[in-house]
Amino acid sequence: DQQVKQNSPSLSVQEGRISILNCDYTNSMFDYFLWYKKYPAEGPTFLISISSIKDKNEDGRFTVFLNKSAKHLSLHIVPSQPGDSAVYFCAASVNTGKLIFGQGTTLQVKP
Amino acid sequence: GAVVSQHPSRVICKSGTSVKIECRSLDFQATTMFWYRQFPKQSLMLMATSNEGSKATYEQGVEKDKFLINHASLTLSTLTVTSAHPEDSSFYICSARGGRDEKLFFGSGTQLSVL
Repeated sequence: DQQVKQNSPSLSVQEGRISILNCDYTNSMFDYFLWYKKYPAEGPTFLISISSIKDKNEDGRFTVFLNKSAKHLSLHIVPSQPGDSAVYFCAASVNTGKLIFGQGTTLQVKP
Repeated sequence: GAVVSQHPSRVICKSGTSVKIECRSLDFQATTMFWYRQFPKQSLMLMATSNEGSKATYEQGVEKDKFLINHASLTLSTLTVTSAHPEDSSFYICSARGGRDEKLFFGSGTQLSVL
């Protein structure tokens, strides 16, 4: 049972445009959501997080939106840069304990 | 910032041998450490959760006798893959929770290849 789903395996965006990565979840008990960026053969790097009591969190070029009624969150990157090309994982947890990860979305930002 | 060191980064071993992977929190005490496994083009899957001084809690389907986890101190957890087989070849990542904000930090991962 996949509790966290990223239905788009890949996304290609032109440099300077907006990248929108989507994530859906099924467990209404999740209270904390995170986005990680991962390069091949490296560990994930934390990007941004959001608590279930909020619907938006912004950090520089990265904004995460949470729609609890739809059990959906999204990561917006604007403007996108070639260095943003990586695999992006969304993850969810209950009480910031163990994380359940989505399958990942490979983002390619073209110059 | 907090750093989690994972060693080795890459290991190649023969089938039937055991491999130990270390995960260290360098500048904070990790109350809890997690071990994940990632197969190519798949998600990170949690294998087990370990708390210092107590037995690890394994996720369903993970063999505790095959994947031995030891969390002997607040800065070190080890994962030993016993009698490794080619199907154990994977990318293993640890994470540690601790520090002032109890945040989660990841190691750089270990690529295990079993011949």
